[in-house]
Parts: sequence; structure tokens; C-alpha cells
Amino acid sequence: AQSVAQPEDQVNVAEGNPLTVKCTYSVSGNPYLFWYVQYPNRGLQFLLKYITGDNLVKGSYGFEAEFNKSQTSFHLKKPSALVSDSALYFCAVRDRNSGGYQKVTFGTGTKLQVIP
Amino acid sequence: SQTIHQWPATLVQPVGSPLSLECTVEGTSNPNLYWYRQAAGRGLQLLFYSVGIGQISSEVPQNLSASRPQDRQFILSSKKLLLSDSGFYLCAWSPGLAGNEQFFGPGTRLTVL
Repeated sequence: AQSVAQPEDQVNVAEGNPLTVKCTYSVSGNPYLFWYVQYPNRGLQFLLKYITGDNLVKGSYGFEAEFNKSQTSFHLKKPSALVSDSALYFCAVRDRNSGGYQKVTFGTGTKLQVIP
Repeated sequence: SQTIHQWPATLVQPVGSPLSLECTVEGTSNPNLYWYRQAAGRGLQLLFYSVGIGQISSEVPQNLSASRPQDRQFILSSKKLLLSDSGFYLCAWSPGLAGNEQFFGPGTRLTVL
């Protein structure tokens, strides 16, 4: 079984400060990991993914995430937050080694509020 | 480039009425297709997925059904809506390989009264 946890319901950060949105995962094999962003009344937009290779993944809009296998984490980061980054962020995981079709499991989401 | 469409954008239906939500994908072939429901603006619940025409897998037993009559068309239906069917319905597609991300449509806001 696979699972993903986003321990923070909401994260508040001042504009211009660095931001971190936390994600931890559990899979039986090796993971594919994803981050998505959702603006109000919109579908989810893909930000970035970890498949293999470099543990630091860079994505859209200046976001990056670091894969840490020993801590089973994939935290989303950005060096300087913008008010326009305020949205709902979802982490997702898929077990790479499962046979056949394996669905993606999404976290419950973290609301990011960037304060001007 | 690929695009995904959903309609209608919003829908208000009485309890007991039928439902049909449509999703179409352009610019790709043989996509994996998904229906999700998002309640209270938070977690995503996978309802159905399809890896090919006529191939539908249901994740959760419920009042809904799905069909894939064409390669890039995915339909979510109900014969009789319940109040609990209210929510934000999202269609998504992904290429057929395991490591690929999903691309989501704009969603349909369904309110059952």
C-alpha cells in the first residue's frame, strides 16, 4: 500500500520569505513523486516530479523540491514567496515497482497563504 | 499541444435527476483517463480510471458510473443523483507510462438540491 502525508493544513509566510510545504510518503518500492497546485475553482496544475536521478528537482514558477530517501520526504520549496503563490498544494506518490496499473495517491493538500 | 475539456462548468440538479458529465482530450492518443471528486475544496477521491476504450475500473462503490465510448472521451453518469453527489468533479489524463504526471481539466461544480 502507498500513502502520502501533508502534515500542515495551512502554511503562512510573508511575501519575499522562503517557503516550505512538507510532504512525506510511504511506498513498498521506489517512488514517483509529484507536486501539484490548485487555484480556487480550478483543476490541479502540475508543478514538478521526481522520477530518478538528482534529488533536487526544479519545476514551474520557481518551485523546487528535494527528495530525501532516508526521511521519505519530498518537501516543496521556493526561495522567495509571492502573493500569487497563495493556493492549495498537493503532494502525490506512485509506487514505481508495482506491476500493472497503479494509481497515484494524493495528499490532503496544504493551503499556502502568502501575506503581503 | 494537448488540451483537456470538461463541461458543463457548473451544474445544479435536483435529487433523483440523471447526470452526465463529459471530458474530452485533444492532441494525444490512448491516454489514461481519470475521474476524481473533490469535496470541501480538499482531498481528491479517485472515482474511475480507464486505460483504453471500454475499459473502466471503479475505485469506490457509489451511485456513479463511467464510460469511455471513444479513445479521448470519458463520461461520468448517474441515473439518480443523491445529495451526497455534490462536489467538484475533475477529469484528468496521463500518458500511458507509470512515471508521468496527470493533467487536469478545469472541473465541474455539481450542486444537488
